[in-house]
Order: sequence, then structure tokens, then C-alpha cells
Amino acid sequence: AQKVTQAQTEISVVEKEDVTLDCVYETRDTTYYLFWYKQPPSGELVFLIRRNSFDEQNEISGRYSWNFQKSTSSFNFTITASQVVDSAVYFCALSASLDGYNKLIFGAGTRLAVHP
Amino acid sequence: ETGVTQSPTHLIKTRGQQVTLRCSSQSGHNTVSWYQQALGQGPQFIFQYYREEENGRGNFPPRFSGLQFPNYSSELNVNALELDDSALYLCASSWGLTDYEQYFGPGTRLTVT
Repeated sequence: AQKVTQAQTEISVVEKEDVTLDCVYETRDTTYYLFWYKQPPSGELVFLIRRNSFDEQNEISGRYSWNFQKSTSSFNFTITASQVVDSAVYFCALSASLDGYNKLIFGAGTRLAVHP
Repeated sequence: ETGVTQSPTHLIKTRGQQVTLRCSSQSGHNTVSWYQQALGQGPQFIFQYYREEENGRGNFPPRFSGLQFPNYSSELNVNALELDDSALYLCASSWGLTDYEQYFGPGTRLTVT
């Protein structure tokens, strides 16, 4: 079965705190991609990162960093020195290739509230 | 911005009615996927169109149907609307069948009363 679990429903932090959003996935595919998307109140999904199953290097982009560990099937997302503008719902997704087409399987999302 | 557009932005319909949602894919993309996002949940895959044919379908009933046109834009049609169809409908475009990255539009928020 293909599945993405985001166990944290809501997280509330004060500005400048670091925060980590957890993502655990299940797949039998040997080749797959993992994604993080940000969804602000406007509703549009904003692409943050894509990571393929063969690249376990961690990545840093400004205040954002991602930790991919195949051994634990996790792809966690850390925001350093959080800001109010980071408040949004964050989704982790798995790209599954089934029967000749790709679809994204999303977790339930984590709502992040950053307070001034 | 991704270059994927959707219309309308918001829509209110009555139970039992039919609705058509539209999506224009990003330039150069020939694949469109549709997702339904109910309130408080992650998006769920409805179906995918590639070169004007349905190429894959999620766990949605036949009253959810679609079309893709020669310019690769797409429509999502829902017949016999039910209250549970109230959701944000997102379309995403990509290139071909092997492109794992999908670019999302802003969504259409459908309310069924």
C-alpha cells in the first residue's frame, strides 16, 4: 500500500522558534519521489521541494531544511527561525507510479501557526 | 505562479445539480491530473488525462468525469452533486507519464447546499 502519514495535526510556535514537521511514508516502489507543499489560506499548493528515492542527501534552502532517511521511511521538514509568514498548512506527498501513470498521495497535512 | 489556471474560483451549487470545472495547463504540459481536497484533509487523486484520454482513476464514482482538449486544457464534470462533494478541486499539469512533478493551479472551491 502507498501511504503518507503526518502525525502532527497542528503545531503552534512563537516567531523565531525552530519547528520540525514529520512525514512517514509507505511504498513498495523502488523508485519514487517525495514532495513537500505549502498551502496558505488562499488554497494554492506551493511546491517546496522534490526528493527522489536514490538521493538521501539532506537539503537546505534558506531557512528550510529537509532530512530524508530511507531506513525509517521518513522525510522531515525543518523551518529554522520561523516567521509569521510561515503560517500555513504543509503537506508531504509521495509520487506513486501505478499502472502507467503517476499520482501524488498526500498526507493529511500539518497546520503550522507562527505567533508574533 | 505555476502558469496553471482554473475557473471559476468559487462556485455554489444545489444538491442534485451538475457542475463543470475548468483547467488550463502550463505551457508545454500534456498531462492534467485532478484532485479533490475536502476541508481539513489532504488532496485525493480523482483522475488523470494524457493526450485527451483518461489515463488513471482514483476511488471516485462514475458521476465524476472529465475531458481533455487538443490544447491540453481539461474539464472536470460532476453529476448529481452531493453535499460531500463540497471541496477544493485542484488541477495539476505535468509533462508526459514519467514526470513526477506536478504543477498545481489555484483551485476551485465548490460548495454544495
